[in-house]
Amino acid sequence: ETGVTQSPTHLIKTRGQQVTLRCSSQSGHNTVSWYQQALGQGPQFIFQYYREEENGRGNFPPRFSGLQFPNYSSELNVNALELDDSALYLCASSLAGTAYNEQFFGPGTRLTVL
Amino acid sequence: DQQVKQNSPSLSVQEGRISILNCDYTNSMFDYFLWYKKYPAEGPTFLISISSIKDKNEDGRFTVFLNKSAKHLSLHIVPSQPGDSAVYFCAASGLDNNNNDMRFGAGTRLTVKP
Repeated sequence: ETGVTQSPTHLIKTRGQQVTLRCSSQSGHNTVSWYQQALGQGPQFIFQYYREEENGRGNFPPRFSGLQFPNYSSELNVNALELDDSALYLCASSLAGTAYNEQFFGPGTRLTVL
Repeated sequence: DQQVKQNSPSLSVQEGRISILNCDYTNSMFDYFLWYKKYPAEGPTFLISISSIKDKNEDGRFTVFLNKSAKHLSLHIVPSQPGDSAVYFCAASGLDNNNNDMRFGAGTRLTVKP
């Protein structure tokens, strides 16, 4: 059973650019949630995908968008990057209908916006 | 808005002693609470949870206490071990959220000294 993986590990972009982060969910999981963890803060919920559709969204602007693929892997896209987008981006996979303690996190992608 | 607060950014205890990590919340709709542990370069891992119908949940060395009237929960680790050194996040959710939009505190860095 493979765990949640994310790529890339680190990424450096400049303001105004676009970025795509990737997440492969744990085997058997069909739901992916994305979180942003700024320095010194806890993870903040961005959105969740289930059956390839957005299933809940936190307080993030539309330039944060996502996709989920038939194999349940997912992408997070951020357009028009701002300096404040610098953060650790975590994805977590779960099986729909299970409790939060069945949600497993990946190691994260560290995004730096210069 | 900070609906989940961990007011102590760090805590240092001696091996074998008790570690007590605290968490306060403001949203009375929260009814499920979790603690996660995070090591560097890894995603958060689930540690222990409690629902609002209980005031205590125990799992080995870890016990979570919930005081609903005070909107306060705490994690007790007894006895503390050097391997417990990590960042601990408190998280909360309302069951009406369909298992998404979990809110995290900013974390407390626990250091257990040998």
